[in-house]
Amino acid sequence: DQQVKQNSPSLSVQEGRISILNCDYTNSMFDYFLWYKKYPAEGPTFLISISSIKDKNEDGRFTVFLNKSAKHLSLHIVPSQPGDSAVYFCAARENSGGSNYKLTFGKGTLLTVNP
Amino acid sequence: KAGVTQTPRYLIKTRGQQVTLSCSPISGHRSVSWYQQTPGQGLQFLFEYFSETQRNKGNFPGRFSGRQFSNSRSEMNVSTLELGDSALYLCASSLASTQYFGPGTRLTVL
Repeated sequence: DQQVKQNSPSLSVQEGRISILNCDYTNSMFDYFLWYKKYPAEGPTFLISISSIKDKNEDGRFTVFLNKSAKHLSLHIVPSQPGDSAVYFCAARENSGGSNYKLTFGKGTLLTVNP
Repeated sequence: KAGVTQTPRYLIKTRGQQVTLSCSPISGHRSVSWYQQTPGQGLQFLFEYFSETQRNKGNFPGRFSGRQFSNSRSEMNVSTLELGDSALYLCASSLASTQYFGPGTRLTVL
């Protein structure tokens, strides 16, 4: 039972264009969502997060959108750069009174940005 | 601030042995979580410690255990290693809702 799904295993975009990575979830108790970027043989690096009380959060080239009714979130990277090429993981935290630090991860999307 | 550190970075063991992995969180972070990453299953939650107490546990057998010390450093132990335990083991520390990951320990079981 996969509660966080990233249905696109890979995505290829041209440098300078927009990258859109998608994530769907099934657990209505998730209240906090995060995106991580991961290079091979390294730990995930935190990129951006969003609370369920918001529908958008922006940080530089990265914007995360949350559609609670559709249980869908997306990460937009504009403009995309070759250094953005990595695996991107969507993660979610279940609300259990603020003391739960268990994250449920999607399986990741490999983004390739071509020069 | 220094990030999350994990030791060792690479480890090779044989079936039946046991292994202990170490994690030092970011200074001031009291929560430490452990995850296993494999190609087939992705990142899966093992357990989380806060103030030396296990607060959450994932769906892993009892061969996987952990502990946290008073300085928030944490160790995880895997006993009676199986081939399927070969994975990247990641530690993450947090102060609030965001977890920050270490570089991981690559465990290979032969």
